Amino acid sequence: QKEVEQDPGPLSVPEGAIVSLNCTYSNSAFQYFMWYRQYSRKGPELLMYTYSSGNKEDGRFTAQVDKSSKYISLFIRDSQPSDSATYLCATTSLRAGNTGKLIFGQGTTLQVKP
Amino acid sequence: EAQVTQNPRYLITVTGKKLTVTCSQNMNHEYMSWYRQDPGLGLRQIYYSMNVEVTDKGDVPEGYKVSRKEKRNFPLILESPSPNQTSLYFCASRASRTGAPNYGYTFGSGTRLTVV
Repeated sequence: QKEVEQDPGPLSVPEGAIVSLNCTYSNSAFQYFMWYRQYSRKGPELLMYTYSSGNKEDGRFTAQVDKSSKYISLFIRDSQPSDSATYLCATTSLRAGNTGKLIFGQGTTLQVKP
Repeated sequence: EAQVTQNPRYLITVTGKKLTVTCSQNMNHEYMSWYRQDPGLGLRQIYYSMNVEVTDKGDVPEGYKVSRKEKRNFPLILESPSPNQTSLYFCASRASRTGAPNYGYTFGSGTRLTVV
């Protein structure tokens, strides 16, 4: 079993839709959760960062962590064609984080159609 | 501009011919890491470095070497490349933990390597 599971999609939605992207993880020691966005032919860029459980909002983006069910989500409101990209979840524990290790999901490809 | 710079962006080489992919960051970051990205497998860590002269293996280190002689540079060396090392490679860096924890990396633009 992979430590982080993510549905690769692809996911196609109309412009303006609410998008929900999800990951599950297996290690209860994971405490730090990230979402990266990767455009075609580019490196991943950090989009959202959360610690432990709860919600974090940044403009149209909301990251949610439910540690009891080991489930992390990214919601995109009023999606735009410019949101079309691959979204990767990532996580680490305190111990692994201090060695520089991140564990990534496979990434979900999102297409927002005008 | 704060960035991680990798070179080359694209490389086609033959089996067994030694190559080096360079990585440089201008943010004075302590941590640097190399990842490879393959379809269906996501990003997997090859090697990481916590500071100058401190390196260690990640999840898929076989066939790769690294060195960290200067803080800003972290080259990836393939001594004898094989076709199964055909992949998209990313270098990344981050600062050490200070204040609120943030383990997020800044990534380079990637190097697409093909070994024939």
